[in-house]
Amino acid sequence: AQKVTQAQTEISVVEKEDVTLDCVYETRDTTYYLFWYKQPPSGELVFLIRRNSFDEQNEISGRYSWNFQKSTSSFNFTITASQVVDSAVYFCALSETRDDKIIFGKGTRLHILP
Amino acid sequence: EPEVTQTPSHQVTQMGQEVILRCVPISNHLYFYWYRQILGQKVEFLVSFYNNEISEKSEIFDDQFSVERPDGSNFTLKIRSTKLEDSAMYFCASSERQGTELYGEQFFGPGTRLTVL
Repeated sequence: AQKVTQAQTEISVVEKEDVTLDCVYETRDTTYYLFWYKQPPSGELVFLIRRNSFDEQNEISGRYSWNFQKSTSSFNFTITASQVVDSAVYFCALSETRDDKIIFGKGTRLHILP
Repeated sequence: EPEVTQTPSHQVTQMGQEVILRCVPISNHLYFYWYRQILGQKVEFLVSFYNNEISEKSEIFDDQFSVERPDGSNFTLKIRSTKLEDSAMYFCASSERQGTELYGEQFFGPGTRLTVL
């Protein structure tokens, strides 16, 4: 069965610190997609990244980076030099190709303190 | 840049009333979805819709729920007799997936916050 686990419910760090959000997934498929979404206080879902299961290269986009490791079924997200505007709930998610619904983790609420 | 839109942004209704949440998907998309997020919880899949019929639905999507594409642009979610536990944010999404392709990016709308009193 497909499942996404975000063990960190809530994290608080001081601005400019680096922070890593953990994500572990379960799937029966060999082809699948992993996502990260940001949900700011305004409530919308902001797409951050999609990764397919065949591409284990790490990705960097500005202060954001993602580490995908199939061996540990993890897709972790790191924010470098965090800023107050990064405060939000972050969801890791999974989609298998057998169906295309997106399964979300429970989210990690990130507080960046000034 | 094309985007998914949803109306209203906030709907307040009395328990037992019917509500219709509206979505306008991106114009050339063929797959449509509804997701729900109860306050403080994760986003949950409700239903997917393709070629004027439901492709898949979750256990949450019971007989009180229905979806429709009444014209070429709107995609609606109807809740027949709302319950207190239906209070949530409802997100519509549409996908650029074409025909038998295995995957298409899902684009989410801004959500409709439903409050049932």
